[in-house]
Amino acid sequence: EAQVTQNPRYLITVTGKKLTVTCSQNMNHEYMSWYRQDPGLGLRQIYYSMNVEVTDKGDVPEGYKVSRKEKRNFPLILESPSPNQTSLYFCASTARGYGYTFGSGTRLTVV
Amino acid sequence: SQQGEEDPQALSIQEGENATMNCSYKTSINNLQWYRQNSGRGLVHLILIRSNEREKHSGRLRVTLDTSKKSSSLLITASRAADTASYFCATGTGTASKLTFGTGTRLQVTL
Repeated sequence: EAQVTQNPRYLITVTGKKLTVTCSQNMNHEYMSWYRQDPGLGLRQIYYSMNVEVTDKGDVPEGYKVSRKEKRNFPLILESPSPNQTSLYFCASTARGYGYTFGSGTRLTVV
Repeated sequence: SQQGEEDPQALSIQEGENATMNCSYKTSINNLQWYRQNSGRGLVHLILIRSNEREKHSGRLRVTLDTSKKSSSLLITASRAADTASYFCATGTGTASKLTFGTGTRLQVTL
């Protein structure tokens, strides 16, 4: 089944403790993105990648890092999480000219 | 950054009625996409319309695009309770990775 898999689905962590949210797609898509969704603000793009080793900042990149060492994987790294990064995170992938396929989301709480 | 803005923010209709949602955006686009999100879940791609297209259909969905007015509409005909969800428009510019979402329309379809 074609899909984008994110892990974990739920995560509660403490301020400053580094964490990684994994994302993997099995559709051989070149393009991958991370979004965060907050009430009243819609979805905002954090980072995106056009191919292996090619990444760029989205609209809200502060406090996040990404890497794209393999085509299928696009992990999101929070080096020092803060409470304002509490949010619902989505990974998504696409081939050029098509719509995005989204993962099921990761609900992150930073206390 | 540019953003699609949906109107209305919330819409409540009865099963069998048509639902129309509008999206306005600010700058030139390559394409405009509509997505559906059931509560707290991942987004599902519904339809993509390119900037040189004016209308597109997919099942009970009809999307129009007016680039001169920088606006789009999504029509769901003969709505069903299962159509209850949030609907987002997203504008694509530049590369396939750059997709900017609006804040969504919450549709409630009652029996």
